[in-house]
Amino acid sequence: GENVEQHPSTLSVQEGDSAVIKCTYSDSASNYFPWYKQELGKRPQLIIDIRSNVGEKKDQRIAVTLNKTAKHFSLHITETQPEDSAVYFCAASENRDDKIIFGKGTRLHILP
Amino acid sequence: KAGVTQTPRYLIKTRGQQVTLSCSPISGHRSVSWYQQTPGQGLQFLFEYFSETQRNKGNFPGRFSGRQFSNSRSEMNVSTLELGDSALYLCATGFGPSSGNTIYFGEGSWLTVV
Repeated sequence: GENVEQHPSTLSVQEGDSAVIKCTYSDSASNYFPWYKQELGKRPQLIIDIRSNVGEKKDQRIAVTLNKTAKHFSLHITETQPEDSAVYFCAASENRDDKIIFGKGTRLHILP
Repeated sequence: KAGVTQTPRYLIKTRGQQVTLSCSPISGHRSVSWYQQTPGQGLQFLFEYFSETQRNKGNFPGRFSGRQFSNSRSEMNVSTLELGDSALYLCATGFGPSSGNTIYFGEGSWLTVV
């Protein structure tokens, strides 16, 4: 079955700098890759997603890139702000399998 | 539009007891997925239901079970509770099966086993 690896587990960046979180997946049939943000004590919320027919997607300060050949995808946050501090989860799923598999999460700290 | 509702939000149980958690989806959503969240392990998939049928199951022992009703509400049950079952249990719902579709999470049920 699908396995998603996420790195790093913890990331500290200076406010205003960029943050990059990387994930790899094992099932080449996976075709949907969402990213969720979970603030302390709150539910995970979808922040951006990408499908396998697209290589890159951007939404304001957030962008996701997908390399299907290498089976990895990344989340990029530019001009980080204090409210970006949270745990970020990447995930992957494919049409044959009714489940979305998540990585173990990255705790992002934005330093003042 | 109401979000995904999970009850109870917090509960404490004793080892050996059983527990039932409930998830009411967003109106119109027919799929419900359940996840266990523990520190360091992230979100681990338990099972998914769509139209009252279990579509997939994660690698959890048979003590973990679930069901879905005709109104799409879902329940999960854990029998013979162990200390290691202490976790946040999240459900997520969507219009269709989760594969390839966006899912929306509830606030979760915090289970503590003592």
